[in-house]
Amino acid sequence: NAGVTQTPKFQVLKTGQSMTLQCAQDMNHEYMSWYRQDPGMGLRLIHYSVGAGITDQGEVPNGYNVSRSTTEDFPLRLLSAAPSQTSVYFCASSRTLDQPQHFGDGTRLSIL
Amino acid sequence: AQRVTQPEKLLSVFKGAPVELKCNYSYSGSPELFWYVQYSRQRLQLLLRHISRESIKGFTADLNKGETSFHLKKPFAQEEDSAMYYCALSWRSQGNLIFGKGTKLSVKP
Repeated sequence: NAGVTQTPKFQVLKTGQSMTLQCAQDMNHEYMSWYRQDPGMGLRLIHYSVGAGITDQGEVPNGYNVSRSTTEDFPLRLLSAAPSQTSVYFCASSRTLDQPQHFGDGTRLSIL
Repeated sequence: AQRVTQPEKLLSVFKGAPVELKCNYSYSGSPELFWYVQYSRQRLQLLLRHISRESIKGFTADLNKGETSFHLKKPFAQEEDSAMYYCALSWRSQGNLIFGKGTKLSVKP
């Protein structure tokens, strides 16, 4: 099992560009989520999904869209990148909400 | 609102000294509480969870509902314990997992 796979690992964007961060898991987990990690702020939940076809907003959803068409994939879209979205993004999955989260390696995103 | 507070951004101790990383939460129900660790250049990984009552890498954490705390402890710190530690809380009814801001533990030789 590969676990949780995130691509790309690094990306530099210009302000206003759009991009999709990919996240895939091969553990048949129902629950998937996206976090951003910023210095001094810890991990903040952006969006999450409790199953295919179901998504909901987390603490900091503005500027991001998600969809969950399959159990395995949970892409995160930046529609119009802003410098404030410079961060490290982590995808996570778990069998159910109260089970431990499995994290990907992260995507380091810089917006110029 | 539910909240997880880790009051220390940085904790520095010498090798062999006891370590306690503090975590307080605000939630009126019965939460699930976790400690996650992120070693340098590695992904976050689960260290322990309160319901399992395990000791992982010498770390333990006890849920104190009266004080709404879930402090992480280790009697003798090792240099390889240097990492970022996050306390996290979840509650099934809300479909959410909230992290504290993290504490960076530095163990000096």
